[in-house]
Parts: sequence; C-alpha cells; structure tokens
Amino acid sequence: AQSVTQLGSHVSVSEGALVLLRCNYSSSVPPYLFWYVQYPNQGLQLLLKYTSAATLVKGINGFEAEFKKSETSFHLTKPSAHMSDAAEYFCAVRVDSSYKLIFGSGTRLLVRP
Amino acid sequence: GAVVSQHPSWVICKSGTSVKIECRSLDFQATTMFWYRQFPKQSLMLMATSNEGSKATYEQGVEKDKFLINHASLTLSTLTVTSAHPEDSSFYICSARLPTSGGHEQYFGPGTRLTVT
Repeated sequence: AQSVTQLGSHVSVSEGALVLLRCNYSSSVPPYLFWYVQYPNQGLQLLLKYTSAATLVKGINGFEAEFKKSETSFHLTKPSAHMSDAAEYFCAVRVDSSYKLIFGSGTRLLVRP
Repeated sequence: GAVVSQHPSWVICKSGTSVKIECRSLDFQATTMFWYRQFPKQSLMLMATSNEGSKATYEQGVEKDKFLINHASLTLSTLTVTSAHPEDSSFYICSARLPTSGGHEQYFGPGTRLTVT
C-alpha cells in the first residue's frame, strides 16, 4: 500500500533563505508523486509532479523536487524563500491505477521577514 | 486551463437539514471527480470517487447514505450532506482528474466550508 510521510508539521525560514520540505513515500510499485500548495481557505494548487520521467522535477513559483528512489524521498526545495510562499504544502502519492491520491499530513511553511 | 469551481464557497445550515455542494470542471470534461474532507489544520481525507454515469465509490468509514454523490454529467458532480449534524462541519474540497497527460493530475476546487448549527 502506498503512503507518504512529511517530516515537520511546521518549517520556518527567513525571507531569501533556502526552503526544504521533506517527503518520504512508501510504494510497492513505481510511484507517481505530487506536491500541492494550499493557501488559507482555498483549494489545492499543483506545484509539480513526478511521473517516472526526469528525477529532478521543476514546478511553478521556483520550486523543484528530486525523486530519489534509494532514499524513497521526494523533497521539495526552493533556493530563495519569498513572503508569498507562506502556505501549507502537501505531498501526495497516487494509488495504483485508481488515480486516487493519498496525502501526507502537510507542512506549514512560515517565512520570516 | 483545467479550472474547477465549487458552489457555494461557504454555507451555514441548521442541524437536520440537507445541503448540496456542486463541483464543476469549467474547461474540460472529467469522467472522474473526487471528494475530500479537511478538518482544521489537518490533511485531506478522501471521501469518495465520483464516476460519471455510475455509482460513486466510497472510502472505508464514509457513510454513503449520508454523503450522497451524483455525477450526472462530464462536468458536474454534486455532494449532498443529508440530515447534517454539527460534526459534519468541515471544509469539503473536490477535484477533477484531467483525462489527458496520462490522467495523473487532479485539479482542485476552491473548497466549500460547511457549518452546521
């Protein structure tokens, strides 16, 4: 069965600093992995996805993630945090062929001025 | 492209009444839509998978008679919370699967906040 674990419910960085949000997955088959961002009282917006092509995936708003099979990880990074990046971030894995998504518990990113 | 809307964005209803939430894919046809529930400061919990023209598939522990899902067209799925109770108060989010690009992506609506008094 697939699952995702997000380490750190809260991450705080200074504006301009590196952002690193951690996601580890468990899957018995090659996974499809996603990162979504949620702003307060809004739905989710897709940041990026891994679908077995390039292991380094670039997304919107300067975010990228690297799929590391040996570490079963799919961490999200951004070189320089912006105040507007403050939001909740969810890692998700697709369940088999059903297209259902299983979400991690989420990480709230706080950006300090 | 790939825009999903929900209506209403927020609703307050009295205990014992029913409320319907609509989820529409505005610029694509979605054979599959999903309904999620999100409690404050928590992750999304998948409630059910809505397939156009067939019965919804509910996740374990979700009462299908309480959360009625109808997917009558390729652009519209509805979730009806029947005989609502205060514990049904939550943020309900729908998503629609984009059938192209391998169908991997889900596009999410903005959510509906339900408060039952």
